[in-house]
Amino acid sequence: KNEVEQSPQNLTAQEGEFITINCSYSVGISALHWLQQHPGGGIVSLFMLSSGKKKHGRLIATINIQEKHSSLHITASHPRDSAVYICAVRRLASGSRLTFGEGTQLTVNP
Amino acid sequence: NAGVTQTPKFQVLKTGQSMTLQCAQDMNHEYMSWYRQDPGMGLRLIHYSVGAGITDQGEVPNGYNVSRSTTEDFPLRLLSAAPSQTSVYFCASRGSSYNEQFFGPGTRLTVL
Repeated sequence: KNEVEQSPQNLTAQEGEFITINCSYSVGISALHWLQQHPGGGIVSLFMLSSGKKKHGRLIATINIQEKHSSLHITASHPRDSAVYICAVRRLASGSRLTFGEGTQLTVNP
Repeated sequence: NAGVTQTPKFQVLKTGQSMTLQCAQDMNHEYMSWYRQDPGMGLRLIHYSVGAGITDQGEVPNGYNVSRSTTEDFPLRLLSAAPSQTSVYFCASRGSSYNEQFFGPGTRLTVL
């Protein structure tokens, strides 16, 4: 079983819909990252969380340390949000190393 | 700042050939890493470095070498390419504050 599991693997939405992508992990962590991989392949860091909630524009990320779960929400989705969203955790005592989920492919149709 | 740069963007090798993937960053970051990305799998760590002169193995180091002679550069060497090394390779860096990771644009490698 992977240490980092994302759901769903694939998600198709209509423009304007509210989107939720989930990440569950099975190890103790010091931080969790959400990343976005564009269709062209580039990877961009969206959030780093160690507790609570962060918001940037239409993106909201939450984490529940006790339940070992994080969610990424996109409000008022747009076709330009179409990308792969990747969850990664920094395990306790792993130093700089990250463990990645397989990613969620999001497609937003106009 | 250029951020993290990688060259080449695309490469085709024959089995047994060697090559070096270049990675450079201009943010004075201590930590640099090489990952490979394969379909149906998350990014996997090949090698990483916590500073100039210091490198260590990740999850999938076999068949790859690295060195870190300067803070800026972290090349990845394929010693004798194999078809199993066909993948997309990403270099990443971050500062010492455990915050944002910066990724290079990736190198798509095909080994025939």
